Amino acid sequence: AQSVTQLGSHVSVSEGALVLLRCNYSSSVPPYLFWYVQYPNQGLQLLLKYTSAATLVKGINGFEAEFKKSETSFHLTKPSAHMSDAAEYFCAVRTDGNQFYFGTGTSLTVIP
Amino acid sequence: DGGITQSPKYLFRKEGQNVTLSCEQNLNHDAMYWYRQDPGQGLRLIYYSQIVNDFQKGDIAEGYSVSREKKESFPLTVTSAQKNPTAFYLCASSGGRGGNSPLHFGNGTRLTVT
Repeated sequence: AQSVTQLGSHVSVSEGALVLLRCNYSSSVPPYLFWYVQYPNQGLQLLLKYTSAATLVKGINGFEAEFKKSETSFHLTKPSAHMSDAAEYFCAVRTDGNQFYFGTGTSLTVIP
Repeated sequence: DGGITQSPKYLFRKEGQNVTLSCEQNLNHDAMYWYRQDPGQGLRLIYYSQIVNDFQKGDIAEGYSVSREKKESFPLTVTSAQKNPTAFYLCASSGGRGGNSPLHFGNGTRLTVT
């Protein structure tokens, strides 16, 4: 089955530092890839999605992700972390059967 | 504004009781989904429906049931057969079969069974 793997269940960065959250996907099906953010006791909000038009995808709140087929990766980055970025982040993949599978999530802590 | 409404936000039940979680969407989406979220386990698919009057089991369907009588509604029943029902439940919908059509989520229902 198609799946995604998020390396690092917890990531801590200082305010103003680079944010890097890792996501790898299995290569058996076309990569319909997404990143979502979740704040406590809320649903998930779409950050960005891979469209195949470009390997570098820009999303909301200054986040972006780069699709690398050779590495089967879709890592999420932000040049400068803000306190408001503290949240849980999920990588997801959509299958041809219209199912969505999620990674186990990465909790981002931003240190002032 | 269009969106997905889940109610109630918090739900408490005694063990052995069935409970139904509501999910309504006004996005005119064909596909709807139910996920369960537990700490450290991400989101796990319970059931999904791609069209009215049709639905499929996800990875953890045991102890749950759904119906899809209307396009905008996809209620989830947690039955007494579900051995560990306490969790955060998320409903979602998707508007197209295009590969990059994303999921849209409600704000979730936190179910506590004691």
